[in-house]
Amino acid sequence: EAQVTQNPRYLITVTGKKLTVTCSQNMNHEYMSWYRQDPGLGLRQIYYSMNVEVTDKGDVPEGYKVSRKEKRNFPLILESPSPNQTSLYFCASSILQGVEAFFGQGTRLTVV
Amino acid sequence: DQQVKQNSPSLSVQEGRISILNCDYTNSMFDYFLWYKKYPAEGPTFLISISSIKDKNEDGRFTVFLNKSAKHLSLHIVPSQPGDSAVYFCAASSSGSEKLVFGKGTKLTVNP
Repeated sequence: EAQVTQNPRYLITVTGKKLTVTCSQNMNHEYMSWYRQDPGLGLRQIYYSMNVEVTDKGDVPEGYKVSRKEKRNFPLILESPSPNQTSLYFCASSILQGVEAFFGQGTRLTVV
Repeated sequence: DQQVKQNSPSLSVQEGRISILNCDYTNSMFDYFLWYKKYPAEGPTFLISISSIKDKNEDGRFTVFLNKSAKHLSLHIVPSQPGDSAVYFCAASSSGSEKLVFGKGTKLTVNP
């Protein structure tokens, strides 16, 4: 089954404690991206990757890092989380940029 | 600067009637448009798309209309069913662009 898998689904953490949200896709897609969804703001892109070792900033990259060492994995790293990063995060992948994307089920992060 | 706008945060319709969700865009370079549906606690799922070379695309109960001169697209759901109750996101991209640009979403409620 084609899917994008994110882990964990839910996470509560404290300010400043580094965390990683993993994302893996089994469709051999070149393009992967991370979004955050906030009330009244819709989906905003954090980072994207067009291929292995190729990543770039989206609309709201501050406070986040990503890596793309393998085609299937695209982890999101928060080196020093802050409360304003409390949000619902989605990973997505697609065969090309700007076309239909498959989304993971989301990670609800709370930073206290 | 919001390039994709969904001006109605919510919409309520009766089962069996038509649901019309609207989306406006400002970037004349956009040439591909998509609709996603999102249920609570799930990631967005692709619903239907349309290229700028068309003005209509149909898939079962779902039809998307594109008016390029007005920079407006709409999603029609006929007949609406309670299972259609979800948040609907409009998204757009341009050829060669790195990303999908999403609207803020419209919450559709279909009442039995």
